[in-house]
Amino acid sequence: LAKTTQPISMDSYEGQEVNITCSHNNIATNDYITWYQQFPSQGPRFIIQGYKTKVTNEVASLFIPADRKSSTLSLPRVSLSDTAVYYCLVAYAGTGRRALTFGSGTRLQVQP
Amino acid sequence: DAGVIQSPRHEVTEMGQEVTLRCKPISGHNSLFWYRQTMMRGLELLIYFNNNVPIDDSGMPEDRFSAKMPNASFSTLKIQPSEPRDSAVYFCASTRAAASGPGANVLTFGAGSRLTVL
Repeated sequence: LAKTTQPISMDSYEGQEVNITCSHNNIATNDYITWYQQFPSQGPRFIIQGYKTKVTNEVASLFIPADRKSSTLSLPRVSLSDTAVYYCLVAYAGTGRRALTFGSGTRLQVQP
Repeated sequence: DAGVIQSPRHEVTEMGQEVTLRCKPISGHNSLFWYRQTMMRGLELLIYFNNNVPIDDSGMPEDRFSAKMPNASFSTLKIQPSEPRDSAVYFCASTRAAASGPGANVLTFGAGSRLTVL
């Protein structure tokens, strides 16, 4: 069973754009890609979801290439409050079940 | 909606005691997931239910763990007997079940139950 792969950690400074890429080589045809954010002592929180090309909301943008084997979460002009762990999640529906398994996530540290 | 509600928020118990964690999903959500999070192992899926029926419990670590969902608005995760290695934050999450497509993976998590087993 394939899994998602993300960088373990990233560092940035306030005001910069941050791009976090997730690899998901065995994504199924009907699967959507979903990103979550988790602050310490809280549960993960939904950020954005997409299927292909580009999706943008008030928090982030999600870029998905045509082959859908990866996706990139883009956070524009990060602030200290964006320091968190970011997870990408893809449901592998090939077995007919939908075990929503999280990877290790990317720990983003934003410095002043 | 009050979101996913978990209780207790914190529990400290001694090894060998029974622990019961509770979860109330969002009204209208028919899929419920239990996760465990530790520094060493990250977020682990323990079990999930669709329409109150357990679908996949392969993540349940051992027979000491059991989960039930007697109705659409309530689920429990029980550990009996508890051990120090069970110390973790346990999260419950819910969503509207859909095999695929928009919203299929959009989980709403509760605040978690932090369990410490001495």
